[in-house]
Amino acid sequence: EDQVTQSPEALRLQEGESSSLNCSYTVSGLRGLFWYRQDPGKGPEFLFTLYSAGEEKEKERLKATLTKKESFLHITAPKPEDSATYLCAVSRNSGNTPLVFGKGTRLSVIA
Amino acid sequence: DSGVTQTPKHLITATGQRVTLRCSPRSGDLSVYWYQQSLDQGLQFLIHYYNGEERAKGNILERFSAQQFPDLHSELNLSSLELGDSALYFCASSVRWGAGEKLFFGSGTQLSVL
Repeated sequence: EDQVTQSPEALRLQEGESSSLNCSYTVSGLRGLFWYRQDPGKGPEFLFTLYSAGEEKEKERLKATLTKKESFLHITAPKPEDSATYLCAVSRNSGNTPLVFGKGTRLSVIA
Repeated sequence: DSGVTQTPKHLITATGQRVTLRCSPRSGDLSVYWYQQSLDQGLQFLIHYYNGEERAKGNILERFSAQQFPDLHSELNLSSLELGDSALYFCASSVRWGAGEKLFFGSGTQLSVL
């Protein structure tokens, strides 16, 4: 069974204090690893898709990386508006399998 | 704005009742997915429809059913509601179906069963 584990569950940072969120996964044949951002009371918003180990993608203060067992979401010099829950999800490389999500990391950035 | 519309935004009902949640996908998207989100379980996949046909089922209870209509909007029907059904229900859409598809989520329906 596909599994996605995110850590830490919650993270509190000072504005400007860089850090990383972890997503460990177990999947039979990874097709893609997805990162989403979810604000309170809203649906998840797509950030990145990574397809192969060694791939990296960046968007503003966020950079996502992928290895064969885990992905990291690096946040450089975060701002209070980066506060949200960050979700990781995987899709399998066979059939019509839906995205399997982790439980997320709740990030709070304090000014 | 993702372009996916869900109604109602909030729903409060009693145990044993039946409710219908509605989803309109982004223009041009043929796939509709339903997910349930609770604090302890995270986002759980319920069911997927593509162009009117059911394509995949997840952890969906027999008391729950869904359909996708010719105009591509979808409805999720929840019956004989229990306290444990209280959760956020999300609809998501994508252009096609299959592994690797990026999903666009609506804002969700917050269901409270009292």
